[in-house]
Amino acid sequence: DGGITQSPKYLFRKEGQNVTLSCEQNLNHDAMYWYRQDPGQGLRLIYYSQIVNDFQKGDIAEGYSVSREKKESFPLTVTSAQKNPTAFYLCASTFGQGRSYNEQFFGPGTRLTVL
Amino acid sequence: SQKIEQNSEALNIQEGKTATLTCNYTNYSPAYLQWYRQDPGRGPVFLLLIRENEKEKRKERLKVTFDTTLKQSLFHITASQPADSATYLCALDLSGGSYIPTFGRGTSLIVHP
Repeated sequence: DGGITQSPKYLFRKEGQNVTLSCEQNLNHDAMYWYRQDPGQGLRLIYYSQIVNDFQKGDIAEGYSVSREKKESFPLTVTSAQKNPTAFYLCASTFGQGRSYNEQFFGPGTRLTVL
Repeated sequence: SQKIEQNSEALNIQEGKTATLTCNYTNYSPAYLQWYRQDPGRGPVFLLLIRENEKEKRKERLKVTFDTTLKQSLFHITASQPADSATYLCALDLSGGSYIPTFGRGTSLIVHP
């Protein structure tokens, strides 16, 4: 089955630590996205990538970093510079390079809690 | 500033009735609008897309309308079932052709048996 996987499902981090969230897709999509969702809030765009080895900042990129070395993988690192990292993180992908109105396919999410 | 408004209060309805959810937006004319369903602790799932030149779109028990004059989309679920209980998010392009949708906060729908 094609889809997007995120791991781990739950992640706990101590303050001051960096942590990396995994996102893998086998849909052959070019464009991939990272969103953050807080309770009662909409999805906020952190970073997106329309093609391998290229990515762009979204609305709330501060304190986060990404890489896109392979088409199927788009890991997100939450750095110690992120002031309030506890949230639900969602990875998504879109057919093509994201230059059309195509639907987004989402992964199951990773819930990050800072202790 | 541009923003999307969805009713933050949960919509409670009885099984078999039609649920109607609202998505309002300001200050821009998006080229499209999408609706997603999100269950607790899971990622959103795409339901329907409607373009600016379409007034209405249907898919099984779902119907979406798009009124660019009122800057509003209505999402209807007919013959609602308890399994339809979820949060419904609207998403639209607010950034002038970037194709990356901006998501609303979503409205929770609870269908009572």
